[in-house]
Amino acid sequence: DGGITQSPKYLFRKEGQNVTLSCEQNLNHDAMYWYRQDPGQGLRLIYYSQIVNDFQKGDIAEGYSVSREKKESFPLTVTSAQKNPTAFYLCASSTRRAGEQYFGPGTRLTVT
Amino acid sequence: GENVEQHPSTLSVQEGDSAVIKCTYSDSASNYFPWYKQELGKGPQLIIDIRSNVGEKKDQRIAVTLNKTAKHFSLHITETQPEDSAVYFCAASETSYDKVIFGPGTSLSVIP
Repeated sequence: DGGITQSPKYLFRKEGQNVTLSCEQNLNHDAMYWYRQDPGQGLRLIYYSQIVNDFQKGDIAEGYSVSREKKESFPLTVTSAQKNPTAFYLCASSTRRAGEQYFGPGTRLTVT
Repeated sequence: GENVEQHPSTLSVQEGDSAVIKCTYSDSASNYFPWYKQELGKGPQLIIDIRSNVGEKKDQRIAVTLNKTAKHFSLHITETQPEDSAVYFCAASETSYDKVIFGPGTSLSVIP
């Protein structure tokens, strides 16, 4: 059963702690993306990767870091430098040929 | 960089009526325009997309039109049903593989 998974669905952290969000896909997609969604707002791109061992900053990369050591995995770390980390985080993947982005179910992060 | 605007932000229609959502974009180099539907607590899902070499595309009750000269594109949903209620996002990018810029979303409510 192919798809893109994110875990956990809900995550709670104390202010000042780094936290890593998981994103895994078994669709054999080359590209993977991380978006942040705030209530009533659209999706803002944090980081994206078009190939293993390479990634680019999106529009709001400050306070976040990523790695792409495997084609299937694109974890996102929310660092303590991110001033307002509470949000809904969405991971997506796509192929070069088709272009459609497949989204995971999202992780809702709450930092108090 | 690319900027995508979307109107209206909320839309209520009676079941069976049509719904129209309009988007404008700023970067004339954009040539891929997907539309996503997001249900509550889930990741967005592609419902239709259009490329710049096409002026209109239709898939059952959903159609999208593109005016490259005016830099705007629209989503049309006919014979709306309660299950069409969701948030709809338009987006634009230079190619389907590049980073995609999303509009702020339209919350559609279909009243039975």
